[in-house]
Amino acid sequence: DAKTTQPTSMDCAEGRAANLPCNHSTISGNEYVYWYRQIHSQGPQYIIHGLKNNETNEMASLIITEDRKSSTLILPHATLRDTAVYYCIVRVEFGGSQGNLIFGKGTKLSVKP
Amino acid sequence: GAVVSQHPSWVICKSGTSVKIECRSLDFQATTMFWYRQFPKQSLMLMATSNEGSKATYEQGVEKDKFLINHASLTLSTLTVTSAHPEDSSFYICSARGNRVGNQPQHFGDGTRLSIL
Repeated sequence: DAKTTQPTSMDCAEGRAANLPCNHSTISGNEYVYWYRQIHSQGPQYIIHGLKNNETNEMASLIITEDRKSSTLILPHATLRDTAVYYCIVRVEFGGSQGNLIFGKGTKLSVKP
Repeated sequence: GAVVSQHPSWVICKSGTSVKIECRSLDFQATTMFWYRQFPKQSLMLMATSNEGSKATYEQGVEKDKFLINHASLTLSTLTVTSAHPEDSSFYICSARGNRVGNQPQHFGDGTRLSIL
């Protein structure tokens, strides 16, 4: 699996957009970019995923560069409840064969009032 | 959305006790379930992968006789920590993936905090 690189920590002011970067320079053509987050003492929560097009859902937006070597997760209006560790993971398409998510260290996002 | 339920949320027991943790997919059939372990201030580490009706595949360094995994149905997997000792104290998290072909995310339970005295 391609490895990802994320900053160790980031701060964001409440109400502002949080932009979390992720580098995945060795990503393969059939690998998706997944984002999960883990709030303290809970299991990881799925946020969003994409292959090459930008994606948006009710939680966040995912911007993937044209060369797919990096991506940015955007939380448009961060709240205190968005404080968590955010994991960027690349993985081949699920379904059919076994697959699993390999977690790195992630980015600890602290949203401050 | 898809929900994965894990029970119990926390367990405190004496050394030498065996502990069973259940993981259920509530609104989808999970052909594959995963068990992770997380120590304080560390990331999740995959322990094993199980497919319904077959033996689990364990990651290197994880003792299969210590961590028994059963995936007898499409909605239930169990992890039994046998003869638990204090070093087994950790946060155990299960995850499940549905059986529909094509890209779909993996969903996680809320974890079980295991403390061995």
